[in-house]
Amino acid sequence: RKEVEQDPGPFNVPEGATVAFNCTYSNSASQSFFWYRQDCRKEPKLLMSVYSSGNEDGRFTAQLNRASQYISLLIRDSKLSDSATYLCVVNLQDSGYSTLTFGKGTMLLVSP
Amino acid sequence: DAGVIQSPRHEVTEMGQEVTLRCKPISGHNSLFWYRQTMMRGLELLIYFNNNVPIDDSGMPEDRFSAKMPNASFSTLKIQPSEPRDSAVYFCASSFDRLYQPQHFGDGTRLSIL
Repeated sequence: RKEVEQDPGPFNVPEGATVAFNCTYSNSASQSFFWYRQDCRKEPKLLMSVYSSGNEDGRFTAQLNRASQYISLLIRDSKLSDSATYLCVVNLQDSGYSTLTFGKGTMLLVSP
Repeated sequence: DAGVIQSPRHEVTEMGQEVTLRCKPISGHNSLFWYRQTMMRGLELLIYFNNNVPIDDSGMPEDRFSAKMPNASFSTLKIQPSEPRDSAVYFCASSFDRLYQPQHFGDGTRLSIL
């Protein structure tokens, strides 16, 4: 089983739509979680951290479900500029060092 | 603020040649990571340094790959000899080595081995 799994998509949505992505992780000892965004031919950039109680940043909402070992990202009122690949990232601290494991990403295409 | 700086941005070379990729992490960050990204395999961690010491190099594909971090502000990833299957985007990232701290990526080096 892969450590971090995401639906590769693409998710095709019209402007203004609400879209949600899920990501599952296999290691129950995982301790922190992030969503990164990667534009075509660019580097991954941190979108938001995911906190246990869930958190919101403008149109973006992240949720964590430790019991089921998944995190989610909800995007409301999609913009054309939201088109990108969204990477789920899980952090595990082992032997005193932190390691990040990246999912392969979910592609979002927002159309006019 | 300067982010992670990588060079070169693009490299095209013939198979068998030595390739050296360079990275300057964000000042003050004590962890540095080298990744490789391809369409097929996604983002793969190659090696991870903490306080200039290699901690985990299990992702380094084979002996042709080597990485060094001689000081806190510089790291290199070397491929010798290079092969066409090494063609990929290579990213360097840095962070504070504490839980809940995200990584910050450089622009990447697009490597093509002919």
